Amino acid sequence: QVQLEQSGAEVKKPGASVKVSCKVSGNTLSDAFIHWVRQASGKGLEWMGGFDPEDGLTINTQKFQGRVRMTADTAADTVYMEVRSLRSEDTAVYFCANRNRSWAFDLWGQGTQVTVSS
Amino acid sequence: QPVLTQPPSVSGAPGQRVTISCTGSISNIGIGYDVHWYQHLPGTVPKVIIYSNNKRPSGVPDRFSGSKSGASASLAITGLQAEDEADYYCQSYDGSLNGYVFGTGTTVTVL
Repeated sequence: QVQLEQSGAEVKKPGASVKVSCKVSGNTLSDAFIHWVRQASGKGLEWMGGFDPEDGLTINTQKFQGRVRMTADTAADTVYMEVRSLRSEDTAVYFCANRNRSWAFDLWGQGTQVTVSS
Repeated sequence: QPVLTQPPSVSGAPGQRVTISCTGSISNIGIGYDVHWYQHLPGTVPKVIIYSNNKRPSGVPDRFSGSKSGASASLAITGLQAEDEADYYCQSYDGSLNGYVFGTGTTVTVL
């Protein structure tokens, strides 16, 4: 069974960076199209970016303006998402999710809590 | 400004039917991009319950149904049950933003 396994919770200070990982198990990364979605406490779901077969890597630049970087290690079947210049508003649960052929997110990681606090 | 707009909350008694609207624009739903719906229970991960406007994944009860017309979509829950209390989100793709968009989310309360 295919699963997405995320790294553990992080606590960072404002201005720092955080890197969250998402490992694909039960399949290979080449057969997955991994995206990142976050949810701040009391807020809705927010798409951050991800890898598509049609366009490759796409990032929500309107929202994150170059602060987000996504990379992949195909040998380890792992995707990484890094947020730089963290602000308190970046405190959220970060999910990785697989986009299927219908362009829906059909499989989700367990979520990673990132807390930004001085 | 939100790209996909949903009512903040809907409620109904057990057994009743409720609907959740998802209003988009010509750059997303209106131009033909599909709409997907997610159920999100607190402390869990979102689960797709409707994909491609009106299709149900295996295991999702047929009490859930979806439709799309013009630049809007709807999720209907018939025979409402206590276990349906959750947050629901629509999702589509926006050609102007070149990215995926989620609705503002709707909390369903079973009275």
